[in-house]
Amino acid sequence: QKEVEQDPGPLSVPEGAIVSLNCTYSNSAFQYFMWYRQYSRKGPELLMYTYSSGNKEDGRFTAQVDKSSKYISLFIRDSQPSDSATYLCAMINSNTGKLIFGQGTTLQVKP
Amino acid sequence: GAGVSQSPSNKVTEKGKDVELRCDPISGHTALYWYRQSLGQGLEFLIYFQGNSAPDKSGLPSDRFSAERTGGSVSTLTIQRTQQEDSAVYLCASSLAFQGGNSPLHFGNGTRLTVT
Repeated sequence: QKEVEQDPGPLSVPEGAIVSLNCTYSNSAFQYFMWYRQYSRKGPELLMYTYSSGNKEDGRFTAQVDKSSKYISLFIRDSQPSDSATYLCAMINSNTGKLIFGQGTTLQVKP
Repeated sequence: GAGVSQSPSNKVTEKGKDVELRCDPISGHTALYWYRQSLGQGLEFLIYFQGNSAPDKSGLPSDRFSAERTGGSVSTLTIQRTQQEDSAVYLCASSLAFQGGNSPLHFGNGTRLTVT
């Protein structure tokens, strides 16, 4: 079993839809949580970064962390075709310091 | 430069040849990381540097892989006697400090390696 599980998709939604992307993890040592966006043939870019359980909002993006359930989510409101990319969750193991990535979910937003 | 720079962006090589991949981190970033991304496999950690030293080499797939960093800046990843299974995108990232709570990673655009 992988330390971080993420459905690879692909996920296809119409423009304007609310998108929900999720990851689950098994190790309670994971304490810092990130979402990266990766466009085709580009490196991952940091979207959201959070430590605490709860919600963190940045524009159309909301990151949600539920440490009790070991579940994190990224919500995208009013999705745009330019949001079409692969979204990777990542988390830091506070015991080892290692950053572990999920497999990534491919999102396509159709105009 | 403003971001992490990797070269070459694409490399095609014949099986058995050696290749060298280069990474220029963001100025002032002390930590540097190499990851490998294969189709449908996510990001696989290879090695990281804190300054010029590599405390954790556990992710290197085999002894054909080596990496070094000089002057606390540029890093090279060398793959000797390349095999077809080495074909992947090799990503470099840097951060202010080692993967700490407030030091997110910043990635380059990668080197796409194809071994024929």
